[in-house]
Amino acid sequence: GDSVTQMEGPVTLSEEAFLTINCTYTATGYPSLFWYVQYPGEGLQLLLKATKADDKGSNKGFEATYRKETTSFHLEKGSVQVSDSAVYFCALINTNAGKSTFGDGTTLTVKP
Amino acid sequence: DTGVSQDPRHKITKRGQNVTFRCDPISEHNRLYWYRQTLGQGPEFLTYFQNEAQLEKSRLLSDRFSAERPKGSFSTLEIQRTEQGDSAMYLCASSRDGGSYNSPLHFGNGTRLTVT
Repeated sequence: GDSVTQMEGPVTLSEEAFLTINCTYTATGYPSLFWYVQYPGEGLQLLLKATKADDKGSNKGFEATYRKETTSFHLEKGSVQVSDSAVYFCALINTNAGKSTFGDGTTLTVKP
Repeated sequence: DTGVSQDPRHKITKRGQNVTFRCDPISEHNRLYWYRQTLGQGPEFLTYFQNEAQLEKSRLLSDRFSAERPKGSFSTLEIQRTEQGDSAMYLCASSRDGGSYNSPLHFGNGTRLTVT
């Protein structure tokens, strides 16, 4: 079946540091890939998405590129802020099925 | 867009009791999903509806679990004879049917169930 593997956390960075959170996936067919973010006390919300190979999703300074050859969708941000502290979830939707499959989440803490 | 609404936010029940949760999706979304999340894990798929039709159920969904979406709008998730292992956050999400499965999910804030 489909699966998503995220780098284990927690991740602690200083403000303005570079962020990478690794995500790899296993799926049949051609999935669409997503990053969701969950801020403290809030529900999950979409951060960015990419629907086909080599697409780059971006939002709020975050970027991720759909790499079919390495089955990866790593999340990056050049300069993190304290307000980026949250749990980040990588997910896929397989075009052959309706459900989304999520990774276990990576907790990011950014210190001033 | 008023967002996905879930009720109640918290539920504490004794083992063996039945519980029912409600989800109101975003009004123009015809797909509705239920997920379960435990501490340190990502959301696990339980079931989903397209309009009023339940199209897929996870093997996680034992016979004690039942979900309905009678008029293709709100949905209910019932757990009968609750067990301590049912303690989790139950998440509802909805999405728009754009002719494909590329649409992102819009999540509610969840119902936290504690079984004592």
